[in-house]
Amino acid sequence: EADIYQTPRYLVIGTGKKITLECSQTMGHDKMYWYQQDPGMELHLIHYSYGVNSTEKGDLSSESTVSRIRTEHFPLTLESARPSHTSQYLCASTSGNTGELFFGEGSRLTVL
Amino acid sequence: GENVEQHPSTLSVQEGDSAVIKCTYSDSASNYFPWYKQELGKRPQLIIDIRSNVGEKKDQRIAVTLNKTAKHFSLHITETQPEDSAVYFCAASINTGGFKTIFGAGTRLFVKA
Repeated sequence: EADIYQTPRYLVIGTGKKITLECSQTMGHDKMYWYQQDPGMELHLIHYSYGVNSTEKGDLSSESTVSRIRTEHFPLTLESARPSHTSQYLCASTSGNTGELFFGEGSRLTVL
Repeated sequence: GENVEQHPSTLSVQEGDSAVIKCTYSDSASNYFPWYKQELGKRPQLIIDIRSNVGEKKDQRIAVTLNKTAKHFSLHITETQPEDSAVYFCAASINTGGFKTIFGAGTRLFVKA
């Protein structure tokens, strides 16, 4: 079934650790996005990509980085996690024809 | 960049009543306005959208209106049911080779049975 997958779903790590949140989609979409959301609160765009080797920063300043080497894969990396990075990270994709965003189930990160 | 404001932040209605959520956007280049519903612990899902060349769109109990001149758009839910309880997000999107979508802060809707 076509979907967008995020791993891990939950992660608890210590300050200073490097982490990568994985996002893969089997929907054939070329546009992918990362949003940061505290539960039930506003979604903040932190990164987006319109295709392979294309990445842009969103409106919310973030210390994370992304890469887009394959169309279906859009990982997000934090080089040195801090408690302020504690949040939920939602990956999304769209075909670009309609604009409708399809979201993954999210990765909930807690940094101690 | 685009800024989307959404009101109210919380809305409580009796089952069967109507609910209205209002949003404003800042960038006149925005041309796509989706609404997402997020139930507790779930991912946001599109419920209805409208494009800048349309003033109103309806889908069963939900409708969206757009006033491009005033940069306002609204979501209307009629005959509310307890399962409508969720957080609703409006968004504004600019198509610049891809859709860059900026969300409002969300409205937490409670429908009391």
